[in-house]
Amino acid sequence: GEDVEQSLFLSVREGDSSVINCTYTDSSSTYLYWYKQEPGAGLQLLTYIFSNMDMKQDQRLTVLLNKKDKHLSLRIADTQTGDSAIYFCAESNSGYSTLTFGKGTMLLVSP
Amino acid sequence: NAGVTQTPKFRILKIGQSMTLQCTQDMNHNYMYWYRQDPGMGLKLIYYSVGAGITDKGEVPNGYNVSRSTTEDFPLRLELAAPSQTSVYFCASSYRSGLAGGPYEQYFGPGTRLTVT
Repeated sequence: GEDVEQSLFLSVREGDSSVINCTYTDSSSTYLYWYKQEPGAGLQLLTYIFSNMDMKQDQRLTVLLNKKDKHLSLRIADTQTGDSAIYFCAESNSGYSTLTFGKGTMLLVSP
Repeated sequence: NAGVTQTPKFRILKIGQSMTLQCTQDMNHNYMYWYRQDPGMGLKLIYYSVGAGITDKGEVPNGYNVSRSTTEDFPLRLELAAPSQTSVYFCASSYRSGLAGGPYEQYFGPGTRLTVT
């Protein structure tokens, strides 16, 4: 079945760039997503990328997709303490409305 | 729009009790989902629905039941609660954006923290 893997923890200093990585196994994935979860809250969609793209930029967020290696990354420029949260990678397959989520990467931003 | 609302926020159940977790969305989304989140384990899909009257099992459906009589509501029923059902439960809804083949953007509720003792 599908599997999505992420590193569990990342610590950066305020103002640095953060890079969160994700690998997936389903070669028929059509969309890949990044969600953010702040403490005590539900998940919030940050951005997504279509599988025929290799990069998408949205303000401080840059998503890179290497479809050959099934590797997805999320870069957050000028990371702020408010970016501290858990970040989930997810994938979906065309024709299916369900997502497969990774276990999440906890990002800790220190002043 | 209130988005996706869930009640209750917290609940403690004794083993063997039953309860219903409520979920309502006001965005007229066809698709609705129930997930459970255990520490360090990400989200696991319990059940989902692609429209009123249609439900299907996800990855971890055992011990749960759902119904979808309206577009807005998607309650999750726990029968005979067990300690293994201690978790945070999230309801979500989605639509397919853009033309056919677009991404499913899921919107999440704030969650229900359930403890079974």
